[in-house]
Amino acid sequence: KNQVEQSPQSLIILEGKNCTLQCNYTVSPFSNLRWYKQDTGRGPVSLTIMTFSENTKSNGRYTATLDADTKQSSLHITASQLSDSASYICVVSARKGTYKYIFGTGTRLKVLA
Amino acid sequence: GAVVSQHPSWVICKSGTSVKIECRSLDFQATTMFWYRQFPKQSLMLMATSNEGSKATYEQGVEKDKFLINHASLTLSTLTVTSAHPEDSSFYICSARESTGRGETQYFGPGTRLLVL
Repeated sequence: KNQVEQSPQSLIILEGKNCTLQCNYTVSPFSNLRWYKQDTGRGPVSLTIMTFSENTKSNGRYTATLDADTKQSSLHITASQLSDSASYICVVSARKGTYKYIFGTGTRLKVLA
Repeated sequence: GAVVSQHPSWVICKSGTSVKIECRSLDFQATTMFWYRQFPKQSLMLMATSNEGSKATYEQGVEKDKFLINHASLTLSTLTVTSAHPEDSSFYICSARESTGRGETQYFGPGTRLLVL
């Protein structure tokens, strides 16, 4: 069964600190993995996308890693800001004919001043 | 990146009425659009896949007669919640698939919050 699990479920950190969010997946056949940021009451916005052959991708203060062997990904946020408070969703795309997105349950991050 | 819009951004309606939500891809053509529903503190749940010019494909447990989907053009899909009830209150998000030579990407709309009284 295709599944995407994220941890922690929620996280509270102080402004300026770093944090790492985890994503484990069992999706086949794997096509790519995306991290999205979803602000409250808004649609998800793509942060990074990685294919099977990529093991790291950066977007400003966001750095995603992918280990296709262990089927794990992480999203590292450096020097957190208040505006980083949001839900972060790991989405794995499977391709069997057409693409199918499998969503993780998300990690809710709260950055405090 | 590409832009997907939704209208309205929020709607309040009485129980028993029907509500139509529009999803538009503003700068690309999307043969496939998706409709999701999200309850508080939960992840997005795919409701249906909307294909231009053909019938939508609904996920298991989603009533196709209650959630009518129309994808009349390459840039517009609509979701109509018929005879809405309070339990239909949720955050509805659409996404549009852009296919290029490098692959495909889904772009999400900003969502529509529905409250049924």
